[in-house]
Amino acid sequence: GAVVSQHPSWVICKSGTSVKIECRSLDFQATTMFWYRQFPKQSLMLMATSNEGSKATYEQGVEKDKFLINHASLTLSTLTVTSAHPEDSSFYICSASAGLEETQYFGPGTRLLVL
Amino acid sequence: QQQVKQSPQSLIVQKGGISIINCAYENTAFDYFPWYQQFPGKGPALLIAIRPDVSEKKEGRFTISFNKSAKQFSLHIMDSQPGDSATYFCAASVTGGGNKLTFGTGTQLKVEL
Repeated sequence: GAVVSQHPSWVICKSGTSVKIECRSLDFQATTMFWYRQFPKQSLMLMATSNEGSKATYEQGVEKDKFLINHASLTLSTLTVTSAHPEDSSFYICSASAGLEETQYFGPGTRLLVL
Repeated sequence: QQQVKQSPQSLIVQKGGISIINCAYENTAFDYFPWYQQFPGKGPALLIAIRPDVSEKKEGRFTISFNKSAKQFSLHIMDSQPGDSATYFCAASVTGGGNKLTFGTGTQLKVEL
């Protein structure tokens, strides 16, 4: 149980284009979803927290207009990187938790390369 | 105060040996301490977690030791295997704090034959 999927697993795009990454909880209802960014050999950096049906809460320094997060249902959250630039190239990972449970279950990650 | 300090940064252990990774925190409000295992190119996977009301938790070859007074906790991997070679992250969160995890910096473990 507690499986989280992400799609796509990796994506290459041209600078200036937008990319959407999907995060799905497959066997539980995710009241809260989290989006992280991870650079090589570094820890996970929380970008934003989203609760179903409400606006995402962004961490300090994360541009909300650049990283659009939508949590439209209890099983789906999307991260859209708008007008992507090479510096946005990174490994993006989502996680999900159910109700008041603290445990976060992570997706397999999406590697984004912006050329 | 929100930091979780993790050491060592990297660790090499012989097969069959014990791997020990340590974490320390400052925020006394933290009350949930999970450990995650991450393989290259994959998302982190929950390994084991502990709350401050117990000093030790064991699941198979993995044991968390928790010292509340010292604000430290550690992961012990007994009988380490080459398949355990991965990056390990400790984390901490506050119940009712929106489930936000504060991660340690990670430890790259390599188990040699």
